[in-house]
Amino acid sequence: DAGVTQSPTHLIKTRGQQVTLRCSPKSGHDTVSWYQQALGQGPQFIFQYYEEEERQRGNFPDRFSGHQFPNYSSELNVNALLLGDSALYLCASSLDSWADTQYFGPGTRLTVL
Amino acid sequence: AQKVTQAQTEISVVEKEDVTLDCVYETRDTTYYLFWYKQPPSGELVFLIRRNSFDEQNEISGRYSWNFQKSTSSFNFTITASQVVDSAVYFCALSEASGANSKLTFGKGITLSVRP
Repeated sequence: DAGVTQSPTHLIKTRGQQVTLRCSPKSGHDTVSWYQQALGQGPQFIFQYYEEEERQRGNFPDRFSGHQFPNYSSELNVNALLLGDSALYLCASSLDSWADTQYFGPGTRLTVL
Repeated sequence: AQKVTQAQTEISVVEKEDVTLDCVYETRDTTYYLFWYKQPPSGELVFLIRRNSFDEQNEISGRYSWNFQKSTSSFNFTITASQVVDSAVYFCALSEASGANSKLTFGKGITLSVRP
């Protein structure tokens, strides 16, 4: 049973560029959440997708956008990259049930130069 | 607004010692869930436990045990007879039951180092 997968593992971009990160949920899961984890900090919630719609959003600017596909996989897009966007981006999947446990992927390490 | 505080930032113990990781939370909801995750150097968050606000029974799983006390808004995690493989960053997290699959609010994490 495959767990949550994310690609790429590492990514280096320069300021002002755009980036797309990808996530495939655990088999049987239909909900995907994205988190940003800066160095030495706990993960911060970006947004959550269910049925191809953004259902919840954290305190992140509109430069952060996402998408969920019919097969439940998801993308996170960040436009106009800033140095402060350098972080580990974690994807978590779960079932759409009351406070179901979120299972995390290995993350994508984004470095903005 | 919900908040999770992990006051300890780094803990270092010698193998076989017991260690307790503290977690204090704040929420206005009467229904909520608490979680612990482990993050080894590889970076992936590994789920350890989920407890709901109505179940204050302590839980034990092998060398791991959790103590949930609503009266002090705490959800502490104890590792008995620690091992080098327990070295990792440990996060406590809170999810309010405001709807299906609410977001997780994490503490800043506790870095545990277990020395041989």
